[in-house]
Amino acid sequence: NAGVTQTPKFRVLKTGQSMTLLCAQDMNHEYMYWYRQDPGMGLRLIHYSVGEGTTAKGEVPDGYNVSRLKKQNFLLGLESAAPSQTSVYFCASSAVQATGRNEQFFGPGTRLTVL
Amino acid sequence: DAKTTQPPSMDCAEGRAANLPCNHSTISGNEYVYWYRQIHSQGPQYIIHGLKNNETNEMASLIITEDRKSSTLILPHATLRDTAVYYCIVRVALGSSNTGKLIFGQGTTLQVKP
Repeated sequence: NAGVTQTPKFRVLKTGQSMTLLCAQDMNHEYMYWYRQDPGMGLRLIHYSVGEGTTAKGEVPDGYNVSRLKKQNFLLGLESAAPSQTSVYFCASSAVQATGRNEQFFGPGTRLTVL
Repeated sequence: DAKTTQPPSMDCAEGRAANLPCNHSTISGNEYVYWYRQIHSQGPQYIIHGLKNNETNEMASLIITEDRKSSTLILPHATLRDTAVYYCIVRVALGSSNTGKLIFGQGTTLQVKP
């Protein structure tokens, strides 16, 4: 199993450009999440999905859109990139477990710089 | 979800036990305590979780006080590879009424020294 993979690993954008970050998981997890992490800070939730075709806003959703057309994929879009969106983006997935473990599996991250 | 408080940094000698404290005085009865760690720039990694009993796995032990207002993560024999940021997170388990969102604070930076 590859677990959670993210594409691309690095990207540099100019202000106003758009891009899509792809997250894929092969663990058949229902839940998927997008976080961002700024230097010296903890992760903050952008958007999440509790199943195919459903998405919801997290703590910091402004400037981002998401889609979950297939269960294994969760896409994060930036329509008009701004320097404030320079960050490391992490995707995660999770399954419901009776034990309460509900471990979130994280991808390796995408390092995005907006000039 | 209840808020947690952790010291910003700690040092530990290699081979010694690392004890990382976490306060969660507003924890509710159905909230679990989770610990994750993030090793330099990688995605966070699950370590352990507990509800009210002490827990142990191959990575660590979790000690939760009887009133559940605080907990301690114990790495029994810290190695240099345990140098990381450790996050203590409190939330209810995943289910129809909860989406499993993790609220990360700034965590504790553990430096294991030779």
